[in-house]
Amino acid sequence: EAQVTQNPRYLITVTGKKLTVTCSQNMNHEYMSWYRQDPGLGLRQIYYSMNVEVTDKGDVPEGYKVSRKEKRNFPLILESPSPNQTSLYFCASSPRGQNTEAFFGQGTRLTVV
Amino acid sequence: SQKIEQNSEALNIQEGKTATLTCNYTNYSPAYLQWYRQDPGRGPVFLLLIRENEKEKRKERLKVTFDTTLKQSLFHITASQPADSATYLCALGGYNKLIFGAGTRLAVHP
Repeated sequence: EAQVTQNPRYLITVTGKKLTVTCSQNMNHEYMSWYRQDPGLGLRQIYYSMNVEVTDKGDVPEGYKVSRKEKRNFPLILESPSPNQTSLYFCASSPRGQNTEAFFGQGTRLTVV
Repeated sequence: SQKIEQNSEALNIQEGKTATLTCNYTNYSPAYLQWYRQDPGRGPVFLLLIRENEKEKRKERLKVTFDTTLKQSLFHITASQPADSATYLCALGGYNKLIFGAGTRLAVHP
């Protein structure tokens, strides 16, 4: 089954404790991206990747890092999480940049206390 | 900066009626526009894509229009069903980016 898989689905952590949210897709898509979703604000892009070893900042990159060492994986790293990073996070992939449909993961609900 | 507006209030309609959702945008000239459905606690699911040179697109009970002069897209669900209840997101597309609206919640009542 074609899918984007995120882990974990739920995470509660403390301020300053580094964490990684994993994202994997099995559709051989070149383009992957990370979004956060907050009430009333919609989905905002954090980082995106056009292909292996090619990443770039989205609209809200502060406090986040990403890497793209393999085509299928695109982890999101929070080196020192803060409470304002409490949010619902989604990973997405698409076959040829953004001119096609995006496939989203199930989401990761992160709470930073 | 780019801005997308979708009705923040929920849309309540009766089963069998046509639901119409609006997406307005400013300060942007998107090459295409997409609509997604999102159920509570789940990721958005793609529904339709319409390009700037297309006026209308249909898929089963769904219809999307795209007016680049008015900077507006309308999303219609005909013969609506309770299973259509969800939040619907519009997204504007351009180079390397999708810009999402906050979504409109649709509730279809039996």
